[in-house]
Amino acid sequence: AQSVTQPDIHITVSEGASLELRCNYSYGATPYLFWYVQSPGQGLQLLLKYFSGDTLVQGIKGFEAEFKRSQSSFNLRKPSVHWSDAAEYFCAVGATSGTYKYIFGTGTRLKVLA
Amino acid sequence: NAGVTQTPKFQVLKTGQSMTLQCAQDMNHEYMSWYRQDPGMGLRLIHYSVGAGITDQGEVPNGYNVSRSTTEDFPLRLLSAAPSQTSVYFCASSYSVDSFSGNTIYFGEGSWLTVV
Repeated sequence: AQSVTQPDIHITVSEGASLELRCNYSYGATPYLFWYVQSPGQGLQLLLKYFSGDTLVQGIKGFEAEFKRSQSSFNLRKPSVHWSDAAEYFCAVGATSGTYKYIFGTGTRLKVLA
Repeated sequence: NAGVTQTPKFQVLKTGQSMTLQCAQDMNHEYMSWYRQDPGMGLRLIHYSVGAGITDQGEVPNGYNVSRSTTEDFPLRLLSAAPSQTSVYFCASSYSVDSFSGNTIYFGEGSWLTVV
């Protein structure tokens, strides 16, 4: 069965430091993978998505993610975190054919120290 | 461009009361869905629809009803509210059920529901 695991519930980094949020998935074929961000009191916004091709995907707000098939991972990275990046981040995998159900991870809440 | 619009944003209900959360999208999206978000549990799919007149159950459908009479609207009904339904509810939509897996999902801003 499909699943998405975000092993870190909370992460705290200092402003200007680099960031990596982990995401592992379980899927029978090449997955469609997504990262969404949720600011407090808001809905979810797409940061980036991977379908195929180049395994390093660029997104909005300076984020990137790397698909590693051998590790079943799709980790999100940012070289230098800004205070406005404090939010909750969700990894998701697209549905298998005919099911119309995306699977979301449980989220990682990012705190940024000034 | 309004996107996905949910109302109300906040609601307090008494146990046993009924209510409807409204969701509308103006992007001509085929697919619409409702999620609930609870601490430590991520987003869980309640119901979804792949087009007008077609609905199906998600992961946690009990206690909720939906209908899809038009492409634009997808209301979520709580027939007899229970404290376990205290949550944040998100409506979401995507363009097409073809190549569904790769479509971007667009989310509303959420509805905070408290059942006392």
